[in-house]
Amino acid sequence: AQSVTQLDSQVPVFEEAPVELRCNYSSSVSVYLFWYVQYPNQGLQLLLKYLSGSTLVKGINGFEAEFNKSQTSFHLRKPSVHISDTAEYFCAVSGLNQAGTALIFGKGTTLSVSS
Amino acid sequence: NAGVMQNPRHLVRRRGQEARLRCSPMKGHSHVYWYRQLPEEGLKFMVYLQKENIIDESGMPKERFSAEFPKEGPSILRIQQVVRGDSAAYFCASSPAAYNEQFFGPGTRLTVL
Repeated sequence: AQSVTQLDSQVPVFEEAPVELRCNYSSSVSVYLFWYVQYPNQGLQLLLKYLSGSTLVKGINGFEAEFNKSQTSFHLRKPSVHISDTAEYFCAVSGLNQAGTALIFGKGTTLSVSS
Repeated sequence: NAGVMQNPRHLVRRRGQEARLRCSPMKGHSHVYWYRQLPEEGLKFMVYLQKENIIDESGMPKERFSAEFPKEGPSILRIQQVVRGDSAAYFCASSPAAYNEQFFGPGTRLTVL
């Protein structure tokens, strides 16, 4: 079955440390890839997206992600996190369902940044 | 340009009642998606609509759930005869075209007593 897997459900880190949130997907077709962030009791905000072109994508708030087609991965990274980065992060792909445009989400990774 | 608007933000219903969730897409957006977020799970796609048309409802439960996006007015997600398992956060997203970035609303949190 086509799916998106976020390998870590929770990632605790200290402030100013680097972080990587992992995402793998399964698909036999080309996909578009996204990372969204969700703060408590809020909607989702787009961090970054990969549609085509350079495999290294830079997003908002200092985040970046690298698309690796051979490993079907799209890991999210930040070199130095802040307390305010504490949130739920979702990896998503489109192109997997019958209409091709709906987003398929992973189960999310909770990033907890402490001082 | 106002973002995607959803109302109500919180909705409490008793078992057997009907729930109506509204979504106003961003100005200029004619594509609307509904997603459901259950506790401890990610978001699950439910339905994709364009003005007056359902394009993909592969994620919609077969019974009690329906969606519309009329020519005028917001998109409506309707849940008839709600059950406790319907308690979740329901998010609407809109985009200006297919295969484009989706902008999410703040969600409606449905609680079924």
